[in-house]
Amino acid sequence: LAKTTQPISMDSYEGQEVNITCSHNNIATNDYITWYQQFPSQGPRFIIQGYKTKVTNEVASLFIPADRKSSTLSLPRVSLSDTAVYYCLVGDGNQFYFGTGTSLTVIP
Amino acid sequence: GAVVSQHPSRVICKSGTSVKIECRSLDFQATTMFWYRQFPKQSLMLMATSNEGSKATYEQGVEKDKFLINHASLTLSTLTVTSAHPEDSSFYICSAPPRGYDYGYTFGSGTRLTVV
Repeated sequence: LAKTTQPISMDSYEGQEVNITCSHNNIATNDYITWYQQFPSQGPRFIIQGYKTKVTNEVASLFIPADRKSSTLSLPRVSLSDTAVYYCLVGDGNQFYFGTGTSLTVIP
Repeated sequence: GAVVSQHPSRVICKSGTSVKIECRSLDFQATTMFWYRQFPKQSLMLMATSNEGSKATYEQGVEKDKFLINHASLTLSTLTVTSAHPEDSSFYICSAPPRGYDYGYTFGSGTRLTVV
C-alpha cells in the first residue's frame, strides 16, 4: 500500500483558499486518492476522491498531476468550522491505512 | 446516504471487565467492516477487518484474543474489548467500505473508551 506524506499542520485566515499537498510516490496503477476530514471525537468524513487530473465537488477540489505521485486538496474560502484534521488516503478500495494527516487551524 | 451507527459513543469501565462496541449499517448491507483505534493527537490505526460469515483478519500486533470481533449479520459488526486495562483507553471507530466509486468509506461516530 502506498505511503502518504502530508504536512503536520497548517494555519490559514478565514476566507482564504487552503491547499494541502500529499505525497504518494509509490502509488499503484489501480490506486485512487481519497481525502477525509476529521473533527475531534468524531469519525472521519469523506471529502473528495480522484484518480487523475482535477475533480471538483461542492466543498473542495482535488488536483492530481500526470505522474500521480502527489495530490493537492483545495478548500476555497475556509471558515472557522473547517478547522479539523485532513487525511489523504491512497488505495484500491480495499483496506486503507491512514497517514499522519494535516491539522488545519483557521484563524479569525 | 450510507450511515453507520456506532454505539455506545462513550463508555467507562473498570479494569478487568469487558466492553462491547456495536456498528450497524443502517441503510445498506456491509459484508466487511473495518475497525480502527485512535489515541489522542494521533492518526487512526487499523486494528482488524471483520467479514460476515468468516473470521476477522487482524493487523500485526493486535491481540485477537483481547479484541474479539464478530460480524453477526450483513448489518452488524461488534468489537469486544476483553479484560480491559487502562492502556486500552482510546477512541474506537468502525467503517464500511465504499458503496461505489466517489462515495468513500462510511465511518461510525466513534466510541470513547475509558478504562479506570
